[in-house]
Amino acid sequence: AQSVTQLDSHVSVSEGTPVLLRCNYSSSYSPSLFWYVQHPNKGLQLLLKYTSAATLVKGINGFEAEFKKSETSFHLTKPSAHMSDAAEYFCVVRGYSSASKIIFGSGTRLSIRP
Amino acid sequence: DTAVSQTPKYLVTQMGNDKSIKCEQNLGHDTMYWYKQDSKKFLKIMFSYNNKELIINETVPNRFSPKSPDKAHLNLHINSLELGDSAVYFCASSQDHEQGNGYTFGSGTRLTVV
Repeated sequence: AQSVTQLDSHVSVSEGTPVLLRCNYSSSYSPSLFWYVQHPNKGLQLLLKYTSAATLVKGINGFEAEFKKSETSFHLTKPSAHMSDAAEYFCVVRGYSSASKIIFGSGTRLSIRP
Repeated sequence: DTAVSQTPKYLVTQMGNDKSIKCEQNLGHDTMYWYKQDSKKFLKIMFSYNNKELIINETVPNRFSPKSPDKAHLNLHINSLELGDSAVYFCASSQDHEQGNGYTFGSGTRLTVV
């Protein structure tokens, strides 16, 4: 079985400062991990994914995430926040088998202060 | 050229009614999904079809019945609507149901039952 925990329900940063959104996962086998972004009243957009290749994954809009097996973490970072980054972010885990369910984290709302 | 399109975008209806939400993808993907997002932004998978065959059927009331006439379409029919069915329903697709593939989401259908 797998699960995912997003440690912060809300993160607020100033424009131009770094962003860190935390995600911890639990999985019996090597999981696939994803980050999605949802802007207000919009659908979900894939930011990046980890599928057992490089542990540092680069995504769209300057975001990246690092898979750390020893810490069971997959935190999302960005060096410099932009106002357009304000949105809801979801960490997602999927297990090993093809029938594994996709589990969404509870989401982290990112606010950007001018 | 919308990749995953859902209709309607908004749906307001009375308790006890029957309603359908339609979803179509033009990406040539084999697998389609329905997710429910509640008022706290929590996303939960409901159903998944791979090439018209049901592969994931979560514990949802049998008032919810998915139908996939072909691999490009996955519709959701809901009978005897209840207040608790109010949510945003997202359709998604992926290339196949293998572990590493991310999803492309529709923009959601906001269902309000009054």
